[in-house]
Amino acid sequence: ETGVTQTPRHLVMGMTNKKSLKCEQHLGHNAMYWYKQSAKKPLELMFVYNFKEQTENNSVPSRFSPECPNSSHLFLHLHTLQPEDSALYLCASSQEATGGANYGYTFGSGTRLTVV
Amino acid sequence: GNSVTQMEGPVTLSEEAFLTINCTYTATGYPSLFWYVQYPGEGLQLLLKATKADDKGSNKGFEATYRKETTSFHLEKGSVQVSDSAVYFCALNIQGAQKLVFGQGTRLTINP
Repeated sequence: ETGVTQTPRHLVMGMTNKKSLKCEQHLGHNAMYWYKQSAKKPLELMFVYNFKEQTENNSVPSRFSPECPNSSHLFLHLHTLQPEDSALYLCASSQEATGGANYGYTFGSGTRLTVV
Repeated sequence: GNSVTQMEGPVTLSEEAFLTINCTYTATGYPSLFWYVQYPGEGLQLLLKATKADDKGSNKGFEATYRKETTSFHLEKGSVQVSDSAVYFCALNIQGAQKLVFGQGTRLTINP
């Protein structure tokens, strides 16, 4: 158990579907992150939330919509995705966004997304 | 800017071999340095870290020393096992910055 739980583990969706990824942590952390991991590409930071406020959007297309209702939960809402959006989506948390320098991140196991 | 460069993979070794995975960095401030490991089908796990020059991080037989003079943080293990097969990521974070900067990852395969 990593302390960060992501659901579902696997998701197959059509390009016209709407789905959501969920991330939950009970580590008392105040910062949460979405990363995209594609084959043969470096990890791409998508969004940063610090104390429930979005503090970074790394030029992510609007078909990805994050939501952070509280410091323990983070969602990624998906709609009208493209096949190239197929990837492993990783959620992470840290004590606070600027605290990652000393404490590092705790990652979830990821959601393997396939867009057909 | 801040960046991390890792040695190209994949790396394939026999069990009990000595492992080195090179990592060098470029940073505008004074970074903390990390190694993460990703086992098949899993997310990333923090393996070890070092927060200042000359610190040595160690865990599970792996170690890495923060070398400011060569801007490096190479990962080493004296005797690898099949269970060490995974992808290894070097990363840095600048104090006050909001995000970890990752290298591209190095896939390690250990054969029995």
